[in-house]
Amino acid sequence: AQKITQTQPGMFVQEKEAVTLDCTYDTSDPSYGLFWYKQPSSGEMIFLIYQGSYDQQNATEGRYSLNFQKARKSANLVISASQLGDSAMYFCAMRDSGNTPLVFGKGTRLSVIA
Amino acid sequence: DVKVTQSSRYLVKRTGEKVFLECVQDMDHENMFWYRQDPGLGLRLIYFSYDVKMKEKGDIPEGYSVSREKKERFSLILESASTNQTSMYLCASSPLTGYEAFFGQGTRLTVV
Repeated sequence: AQKITQTQPGMFVQEKEAVTLDCTYDTSDPSYGLFWYKQPSSGEMIFLIYQGSYDQQNATEGRYSLNFQKARKSANLVISASQLGDSAMYFCAMRDSGNTPLVFGKGTRLSVIA
Repeated sequence: DVKVTQSSRYLVKRTGEKVFLECVQDMDHENMFWYRQDPGLGLRLIYFSYDVKMKEKGDIPEGYSVSREKKERFSLILESASTNQTSMYLCASSPLTGYEAFFGQGTRLTVV
């Protein structure tokens, strides 16, 4: 069975600094996808970044990058140059191959301080 | 633009009421999902559907049922609402192939 673990319930970061949000996963399927979503206080889930298990390079999307370490089953999100608007809940999720639902971690609440 | 719409942002219901949460997507996606979000617990899957009239139980189906009569609409039903069903409910959809799921804006349900 798939499992996602996010060990940081809350984190603080200074504006303009970089921050890493941790995520480890477990699956027996060699083909899978890893996702990060952002949830502001308004409640909507915003897709940030995706990494496929066979992708050779780490995914990047603007200020977001995914530090994918397959052997360690780790998929950490790195946000560079933090902004006040980055304050939100962040969820790591995964989906095995085939038509299976996304499985989510418990989330990390990020607070960016001016 | 991709859109998943949930019928209500906020809902207050009484214990014992039958509650319907509606979700509509305009992307012709095969898959639709209902998640429940509680502080400290993340998102937990209640039910999902991969085709019209098809449904699969998720991790926490007790006290809930679902209906999918049309491809674009997926309804979550609380047969007899209880206070422990007070929560944020999120609907999502995704294509049969590919991985990303698109979410609605969420419904904050309070059962009193």
